[in-house]
Amino acid sequence: QKEVEQNSGPLSVPEGAIASLNCTYSDRGSQSFFWYRQYSGKSPELIMSIYSNGDKEDGRFTAQLNKASQYVSLLIRDSQPSDSATYLCAVNWDGGNQFYFGTGTSLTVIP
Amino acid sequence: GAVVSQHPSRVICKSGTSVKIECRSLDFQATTMFWYRQFPKKSLMLMATSNEGSKATYEQGVEKDKFLINHASLTLSTLTVTSAHPEDSSFYICSAGVLRETQYFGPGTRLLVL
Repeated sequence: QKEVEQNSGPLSVPEGAIASLNCTYSDRGSQSFFWYRQYSGKSPELIMSIYSNGDKEDGRFTAQLNKASQYVSLLIRDSQPSDSATYLCAVNWDGGNQFYFGTGTSLTVIP
Repeated sequence: GAVVSQHPSRVICKSGTSVKIECRSLDFQATTMFWYRQFPKKSLMLMATSNEGSKATYEQGVEKDKFLINHASLTLSTLTVTSAHPEDSSFYICSAGVLRETQYFGPGTRLLVL
């Protein structure tokens, strides 16, 4: 059974702080990893993709991948109230079409 | 780039009627389209995977005769909810992608069955 696990939260951080979101996956053969943001009542939108071990930075967002430990994380620096949303981790197992999503972590940034 | 549209964005229908939802990739050709359903405050639930020109692959527990999927071209997939009932009321979201590449989501269709 392939699984993608996230802490459902809610995670609350004060404005300006770093928010850290974590995701673990069960299949060592996983190749591609994605973070999506979903605002209430809206569909998910892509924030980051990462394929190799290490860090990938894009503005205030940093994705971290550790394949040996089978986790991928998302750091949000200088968190803003507009970052308040549910963050979904997605994993592509075999380079094919199937993506598996975690249940999402709800983040609230407190002004 | 990588824009996916859905139509309609919102639909209200009477119980027993059928509703068709369209999903289009506007600026790329998608090898695969996915259909999800999401209930309030719940996670995405994959309903089916749709490949152009072939039958859709349904997830366990999803009735293929109730949720008809047609993938007519590399840019268009449709989901028809047949004989809709109030329990089918949900947020239906499609996504489109190319092998191993990112899935891009449509804006979703909110269905309310009275």
